[in-house]
Amino acid sequence: EADIYQTPRYLVIGTGKKITLECSQTMGHDKMYWYQQDPGMELHLIHYSYGVNSTEKGDLSSESTVSRIRTEHFPLTLESARPSHTSQYLCASRETGANYGYTFGSGTRLTVV
Amino acid sequence: DQQVKQNSPSLSVQEGRISILNCDYTNSMFDYFLWYKKYPAEGPTFLISISSIKDKNEDGRFTVFLNKSAKHLSLHIVPSQPGDSAVYFCAASDGGANSKLTFGKGITLSVRP
Repeated sequence: EADIYQTPRYLVIGTGKKITLECSQTMGHDKMYWYQQDPGMELHLIHYSYGVNSTEKGDLSSESTVSRIRTEHFPLTLESARPSHTSQYLCASRETGANYGYTFGSGTRLTVV
Repeated sequence: DQQVKQNSPSLSVQEGRISILNCDYTNSMFDYFLWYKKYPAEGPTFLISISSIKDKNEDGRFTVFLNKSAKHLSLHIVPSQPGDSAVYFCAASDGGANSKLTFGKGITLSVRP
């Protein structure tokens, strides 16, 4: 049973719309991450957070923004969606401490038309 | 500059045979390695991991081997089953409480009945 939840699972939206991808976890993890993944490509880190009110940009530049007002919630927002934002977005969290693997959500498949 | 490389995009094996999935890395600071399994439209799920102080870790049908001098690791699945058909991602961490995972591009494994 998943302890990290992403909604929506699938989203088709028009260019220029504002969207928020939701991610929540019930494990009390401090560290949370957003990855972007296209078919046949590696997962690219776009945002991460080490706790409430802490957010950092990842290795891959992204036009999205994130917030971390509560430990369990780490939403990602695109102010104006474009076709180049079409991708799968994966949220993950992990326990503090070295060498703990991530727990991933089921992902959001975003298509911008 | 890819730090984790999975150079074979796909592998097809017969049910009951061994599957060997390879992964190479370039960053000598990596000291913890993980394998994730991913089905289409799902998030990756943790499979097995290995610390750099070991050269082998086994969990049921899954064994990971690490060759630090060659900066190479491999995942062995014996015997392979049709349900193992998925994309397998190799990931690496440089340790520490705030470490982040770096992923390879993944290998698509197909197990033929």
